[in-house]
Amino acid sequence: DAKTTQPPSMDCAEGRAANLPCNHSTISGNEYVYWYRQIHSQGPQYIIHGLKNNETNEMASLIITEDRKSSTLILPHATLRDTAVYYCIVNPPNFGNEKLTFGTGTRLTIIP
Amino acid sequence: GAVVSQHPSWVICKSGTSVKIECRSLDFQATTMFWYRQFPKQSLMLMATSNEGSKATYEQGVEKDKFLINHASLTLSTLTVTSAHPEDSSFYICSARSARGSQETQYFGPGTRLLVL
Repeated sequence: DAKTTQPPSMDCAEGRAANLPCNHSTISGNEYVYWYRQIHSQGPQYIIHGLKNNETNEMASLIITEDRKSSTLILPHATLRDTAVYYCIVNPPNFGNEKLTFGTGTRLTIIP
Repeated sequence: GAVVSQHPSWVICKSGTSVKIECRSLDFQATTMFWYRQFPKQSLMLMATSNEGSKATYEQGVEKDKFLINHASLTLSTLTVTSAHPEDSSFYICSARSARGSQETQYFGPGTRLLVL
């Protein structure tokens, strides 16, 4: 059962902000939202995660709605190297027996 | 972020031979490591969960006698594909969990591309 829903693909112009949406309407109270990306032929790269407050790090910002049913990953100034498949995953903070399960993600293409 | 390495990055072998892939957490200790497999144009599929000092837990449909996992230390897990066949050709990715305070984050290796001829 997919816990998250993401658009299959998106394009974004180089230098602009890339906003990647994710729906997680069945998220539980203790589950965090994690974002990873996978550049072609590489292992997934951790980007950011959050519970309910907006988060920002050197790679991206994560905006989570107040009802926590959806979130948006923002890459503020997209570059060609940001072309990748982006995965939104919900999981408890201390994974315990939970396993990180990947859906189909969003294929983001940065256009020169 | 934490660093996870894999070796080799790619390997070509003949059908029937065994291949060992190493996964190391370089700057943290990982009590739990994971092995994923990814076929072309598909998402990552979890194969097994490996806990240091204990037997691995395999996902349904993954043959434990074919994919041998050893997690001998807190920084090293190995996956051995025994009697490899062409259908085992895939991109194998390991992952390790790092605990920072009260939260865990999972980091991934760069992957190993296996081609069985």
